[in-house]
Amino acid sequence: DAGVIQSPRHEVTEMGQEVTLRCKPISGHNSLFWYRQTMMRGLELLIYFNNNVPIDDSGMPEDRFSAKMPNASFSTLKIQPSEPRDSAVYFCASSPQSVRPQHFGDGTRLSIL
Amino acid sequence: QQQVKQSPQSLIVQKGGISIINCAYENTAFDYFPWYQQFPGKGPALLIAIRPDVSEKKEGRFTISFNKSAKQFSLHIMDSQPGDSATYFCAATNGGSNYKLTFGKGTLLTVNP
Repeated sequence: DAGVIQSPRHEVTEMGQEVTLRCKPISGHNSLFWYRQTMMRGLELLIYFNNNVPIDDSGMPEDRFSAKMPNASFSTLKIQPSEPRDSAVYFCASSPQSVRPQHFGDGTRLSIL
Repeated sequence: QQQVKQSPQSLIVQKGGISIINCAYENTAFDYFPWYQQFPGKGPALLIAIRPDVSEKKEGRFTISFNKSAKQFSLHIMDSQPGDSATYFCAATNGGSNYKLTFGKGTLLTVNP
């Protein structure tokens, strides 16, 4: 079975540019999560979708961040404009129910110069 | 209230030894405690999980010990192997917001051959 697929794996861009991260959840999973991982703050939940609907976006840092889930097999996390402090590894996870268990993708390592 | 405190930050163990990682929490509403294992360049993967109605759960060489009164839980890795070298995260969530995993900061385990 294919796991959660994220693209790109690595992204390097200059400050001010728009960044779009993509995620394909495991087929049949109805919950999708976006996380950010940094050394300082660890793993932080950014947003949670259930059945393609955003349920909790309280972890989204600011209005520069937005996420969409147009269908059950695709989600995007967009940062516009990007800033150096957005540099982190961004993970997408999916689960058949709300939390148990969450299956993570291999992440996108984002570097904003 | 939502924090999960994990220790130690890093751990070095000889092959065949026992690795012990500890976590403590404050929120008594937490009712699900998973451990995740993360290898470099990969996303976290669920290793083992426990609910507070049991004091111990064992899966192969991995055991979770849970102390509800002390609000502490720990991961024990018996007969540690070099292939166990990874970062381990404890986490917790509660039934009211059962999608919101609160993660510890992680423990980098190195098992020397």
